[in-house]
Amino acid sequence: EPEVTQTPSHQVTQMGQEVILRCVPISNHLYFYWYRQILGQKVEFLVSFYNNEISEKSEIFDDQFSVERPDGSNFTLKIRSTKLEDSAMYFCASSALGTWGTQYFGPGTRLTVL
Amino acid sequence: TQLLEQSPQFLSIQEGENLTVYCNSSSVFSSLQWYRQEPGEGPVLLVTVVTGGEVKKLKRLTFQFGDARKDSSLHITAAQPGDTGLYLCAGALIQGAQKLVFGQGTRLTINP
Repeated sequence: EPEVTQTPSHQVTQMGQEVILRCVPISNHLYFYWYRQILGQKVEFLVSFYNNEISEKSEIFDDQFSVERPDGSNFTLKIRSTKLEDSAMYFCASSALGTWGTQYFGPGTRLTVL
Repeated sequence: TQLLEQSPQFLSIQEGENLTVYCNSSSVFSSLQWYRQEPGEGPVLLVTVVTGGEVKKLKRLTFQFGDARKDSSLHITAAQPGDTGLYLCAGALIQGAQKLVFGQGTRLTINP
């Protein structure tokens, strides 16, 4: 069964460093998303991406964040200068055309900022 | 505020009992999803409901979308220890909306 994959599973970084989180969405999906979940809190939407551009973003997704689809399979989230409060699980998700709500999530990357 | 409230937040019952988890909002959703999440893992999609009043069954799990598309319920019949986990509801507010709004989850424990 097709699934969303994410790498790395765990990333530890120093405050102020740049990190890139990687995702491979389900191959025939056209919509891609990043969410995050701070420990013990709700899953929160960060950004959605379609047709090589951002289609919606939340207040959390400020200038420190960027997304890219560098090739036909990968979808990345970059945090330019990490802060302590960026520590969270980051989930990538994807959905097919016409089924925006039916989003399939990856296993997540646990980001720890020291 | 876009808010999905789940109740109860915690539920601990004996194996074999039935239970219902609720997901409520004052907002109308174009679709509503139920996910199950294990510790340290991503949400796993269980079902999507789209039409008001829709009922979907997945083995012992029954999902219902409210007539007004503002609420949903998950009913488990004859709960088993393997049903233990965190259940999340998540809604898409408008057709074509890109983001899901998540509830805070119901942590279910089924005791043998």
